[in-house]
Amino acid sequence: AQTVTQSQPEMSVQEAETVTLSCTYDTSENNYYLFWYKQPPSRQMILVIRQEAYKQQNATENRFSVNFQKAAKSFSLKISDSQLGDTAMYFCAFKNYGGSQGNLIFGKGTKLSVKP
Amino acid sequence: DSGVTQTPKHLITATGQRVTLRCSPRSGDLSVYWYQQSLDQGLQFLIQYYNGEERAKGNILERFSAQQFPDLHSELNLSSLELGDSALYFCASSPMAGSGEQFFGPGTRLTVL
Repeated sequence: AQTVTQSQPEMSVQEAETVTLSCTYDTSENNYYLFWYKQPPSRQMILVIRQEAYKQQNATENRFSVNFQKAAKSFSLKISDSQLGDTAMYFCAFKNYGGSQGNLIFGKGTKLSVKP
Repeated sequence: DSGVTQTPKHLITATGQRVTLRCSPRSGDLSVYWYQQSLDQGLQFLIQYYNGEERAKGNILERFSAQQFPDLHSELNLSSLELGDSALYFCASSPMAGSGEQFFGPGTRLTVL
């Protein structure tokens, strides 16, 4: 069974600085998706970024980028120019590619605090 | 706003009772997923429906059931409620069964007293 591990329960960063959140996963599949979701205090789950395993290029969305290391089964999230609004829980998630089932498998989350 | 709606936002009930949570997916999305978020278990997948049919089951208790209707909205039924069922219940939708990202609703906060 696939598992997702986030080893940093809490992190903090100063406003405008850069922070990296770690995620490792375990799977025997070759094709899959990886995601980072953000959950602010409002509790809404917001998709931050996604990566398809067959793509070698790391995904980027504005200030958010990933470092996808397929052989190492590592998927870290880098937040540049951190803003107060980035304060939230961040969840790494895995999803099998294709097929008829597509549930997400989540890590336990990293609580990020951005300090002014 | 993800386009996924869930009602009610909050629900407070007593042990032993039964409740129904409702979800309307994004327009055009055929697949609906239910997740439970609790402090001790984290985010856990419960069940998936695709175009009215059950596609996958996760850690869903026998006291829980779900269905997806012809208009594609879904309901999650929780019965014989226990204190440990208190959690945030999310519905998510995606266009197809196995492809792409899922879009989450705002969740229903269930408190069992």
